Amino acid sequence: KAGVTQTPRYLIKTRGQQVTLSCSPISGHRSVSWYQQTPGQGLQFLFEYFSETQRNKGNFPGRFSGRQFSNSRSEMNVSTLELGDSALYLCASSLTSLQETQYFGPGTRLLVL
Amino acid sequence: GNSVTQMEGPVTLSEEAFLTINCTYTATGYPSLFWYVQYPGEGLQLLLKATKADDKGSNKGFEATYRKETTSFHLEKGSVQVSDSAVYFCALNAGGTSYGKLTFGQGTILTVHP
Repeated sequence: KAGVTQTPRYLIKTRGQQVTLSCSPISGHRSVSWYQQTPGQGLQFLFEYFSETQRNKGNFPGRFSGRQFSNSRSEMNVSTLELGDSALYLCASSLTSLQETQYFGPGTRLLVL
Repeated sequence: GNSVTQMEGPVTLSEEAFLTINCTYTATGYPSLFWYVQYPGEGLQLLLKATKADDKGSNKGFEATYRKETTSFHLEKGSVQVSDSAVYFCALNAGGTSYGKLTFGQGTILTVHP
């Protein structure tokens, strides 16, 4: 079975721009979670989607948004980028997310200049 | 709220040494507990997990036991190898309405020298 894939792997943007990251979960997995990883804050939960519905959200500003499609693929969008948004963005998938193992993709490294 | 505390690193060991990375947690209810490992430039890989008290997770020589009385999930390995050098994260999922949310510790950098 193919693992979780994320595209692109690397991105460089400038302040004020917006960015869209994509995540394809493991086949059959319906839950996708997103995390931000930075040296200062560690791994922080952004949001979770299941069957195209956002079920849970972390403490991030409204500039961070996401969606999920009927094939379970998910995208996250960050608008009006700030320098502090530079991070590794990880997505993870699981069957239903009810305390199950989450399987992570390789991440998208975003650099905001 | 829920939280995970890991021992501060970095941890530096010689090959074949014994490894312990401490992890304690705060959570309501009955969380599931996980150890993930991250190699340079990669995402997180599940190392092991435990879903209820007294469960022992094990994989690739690593072990951790879910201790509810001490709210701990310490990672151990009897003999580390250079290839074990990585960052290790302890995490919990609190269940209930915590859909898809893992709460992570700050990570422990492990370096193993030949």
